[in-house]
Amino acid sequence: ILNVEQSPQSLHVQEGDSTNFTCSFPSSNFYALHWYRWETAKSPEALFVMTLNGDEKKKGRISATLNTKEGYSYLYIKGSQPEDSATYLCALRKRDDKIIFGKGTRLHILP
Amino acid sequence: DSGVTQTPKHLITATGQRVTLRCSPRSGDLSVYWYQQSLDQGLQFLIQYYNGEERAKGNILERFSAQQFPDLHSELNLSSLELGDSALYFCASSAVVGAYNEQFFGPGTRLTVL
Repeated sequence: ILNVEQSPQSLHVQEGDSTNFTCSFPSSNFYALHWYRWETAKSPEALFVMTLNGDEKKKGRISATLNTKEGYSYLYIKGSQPEDSATYLCALRKRDDKIIFGKGTRLHILP
Repeated sequence: DSGVTQTPKHLITATGQRVTLRCSPRSGDLSVYWYQQSLDQGLQFLIQYYNGEERAKGNILERFSAQQFPDLHSELNLSSLELGDSALYFCASSAVVGAYNEQFFGPGTRLTVL
């Protein structure tokens, strides 16, 4: 993998269901992995910063895991609510401090 | 409200012109980042400054330049503007450099080049 890739590109989830999506990144030169939540007409908002292989972070119903050896991170949302509708971005920070963003997963919560 | 301010909110200009975008970081934050988001691309990292010094450079064109001033505000200068430079430009700030720095994004400046 040369770039940061996120899948799926778009996701529709019924309110109350849990969901997860993936960020894949090149594992060489890894320094940190950031997750952001980006609502329409707003600015990206930081969710998690993870650096260590096996890291798990949690904020309310949202959690994330990191595997730096195989180059992926999962974001989980438990019991989706309408306010979770947003684009979720991951960004790789490399050792030279350059930052590469994925194109995001657009999450739609259906009432 | 993240505490990061950007001006102007919107900017409309013509090809060939030069514009300056301004960013004030959160109080106490030493690091400033500039990003570009155009329709066909995701967020692209342009450049980072830390305490007045350039720290990292991403996909910033030679026609673009930036600086961070002693009061820590930053300006992004875009010159010889082309239609393809139309985009949303974000500034973000963080307290420190290093792996665990959390970035706070400003509201963005929407640039339209006609």
